[in-house]
Amino acid sequence: QQQVKQSPQSLIVQKGGISIINCAYENTAFDYFPWYQQFPGKGPALLIAIRPDVSEKKEGRFTISFNKSAKQFSLHIMDSQPGDSATYFCAASSTGNQFYFGTGTSLTVIP
Amino acid sequence: EAGVAQSPRYKIIEKRQSVAFWCNPISGHATLYWYQQILGQGPKLLIQFQNNGVVDDSQLPKDRFSAERLKGVDSTLKIQPAKLEDSAVYLCASSLGSVGGNIQYFGAGTRLSVL
Repeated sequence: QQQVKQSPQSLIVQKGGISIINCAYENTAFDYFPWYQQFPGKGPALLIAIRPDVSEKKEGRFTISFNKSAKQFSLHIMDSQPGDSATYFCAASSTGNQFYFGTGTSLTVIP
Repeated sequence: EAGVAQSPRYKIIEKRQSVAFWCNPISGHATLYWYQQILGQGPKLLIQFQNNGVVDDSQLPKDRFSAERLKGVDSTLKIQPAKLEDSAVYLCASSLGSVGGNIQYFGAGTRLSVL
């Protein structure tokens, strides 16, 4: 059973546009929701993370929006750049327990 | 600060052969994780160590996979015998602690191809 469902599988955005990736979860015990960025041949790297006590977190061009009642969270990349082209994974965990990753979104930003 | 080191980067073996992967976590990180990442999927946790003790190995196929973390630092993951479906990237990660919210730092992974 997939603990975290991620969509879309792939995304193509023009340079300067907004990239939006969505994730949904079922386990209400999850209390930590990170997003990871992975370039080809590299391991995932933490991009930004949120806890359910806030509805939004922004770091530079990256924003997480969190909807606790809908059990959904999303990553917004503003002013998308070709260097943002990578695979993005959402994840969820509860305190002290393992991370569950989504299936990933391959983002391509066209110059 | 040195990152998580893994070796080898690539390995090609035939089914039923054995293979071992090595991981050196970031210095001072008590928690070490091994993940399996099949092409087109997100990482799946195989085993989690806290120092040299196992915290979670519920998704480790114990009939063929084994892992150890002697002295609470380096770790090895072994597959014996390998099956075709074991073809994947094996990622090692480490964090300061195991509490949710501790940042996990990933190595570049070992890409295993089983023929």
